Amino acid sequence: DTGVSQDPRHKITKRGQNVTFRCDPISEHNRLYWYRQTLGQGPEFLTYFQNEAQLEKSRLLSDRFSAERPKGSFSTLEIQRTEQGDSAMYLCASSSPPGNEKLFFGSGTQLSVL
Amino acid sequence: SQQGEEDPQALSIQEGENATMNCSYKTSINNLQWYRQNSGRGLVHLILIRSNEREKHSGRLRVTLDTSKKSSSLLITASRAADTASYFCATDATGANNLFFGTGTRLTVIP
Repeated sequence: DTGVSQDPRHKITKRGQNVTFRCDPISEHNRLYWYRQTLGQGPEFLTYFQNEAQLEKSRLLSDRFSAERPKGSFSTLEIQRTEQGDSAMYLCASSSPPGNEKLFFGSGTQLSVL
Repeated sequence: SQQGEEDPQALSIQEGENATMNCSYKTSINNLQWYRQNSGRGLVHLILIRSNEREKHSGRLRVTLDTSKKSSSLLITASRAADTASYFCATDATGANNLFFGTGTRLTVIP
């Protein structure tokens, strides 16, 4: 399977704990996106990388959130001091140039903060 | 905030019927895309229509785009139970580095 993979699929944590998610994009894709989706809503943009450079961050991405893509391959999304409002599906997607055409999504990480 | 709004929020039809869902958006776009999402899974790209196109077909899918009204529609013909999913429109806004997704239409196809 050469699609986008995300790990873990599910994460249950207690409020105040830190969590980290991983995304492995399709290998030849240089663009990587993180989205967040709550029940009954569409995905909301969090951040975007082109290769290893983080080029855009949404206002949704508070200072408790940090994302990295150190070698322009896999990416991690860390949430510090989790809050119940962080409970959501975190989706990773990748694409290749020229633009935001045809994003390939992973299956997501479902986060539950108790 | 999300760029698009889908209508209706939910749609239930019998197998074999056609399903039409609509999307409205707010700004200038390079293209508009439709994605499908099965429950608890990631999104799958269905079709892309560019801002200079008015209609596009792919298999049982037909997409229209009216840039003057900032709206699009997705028609699924001869629906199947396997088409049951949520459908989202996504806009590639001019100058943006990402896609903006709508709120989605939940389609249920009854066998």
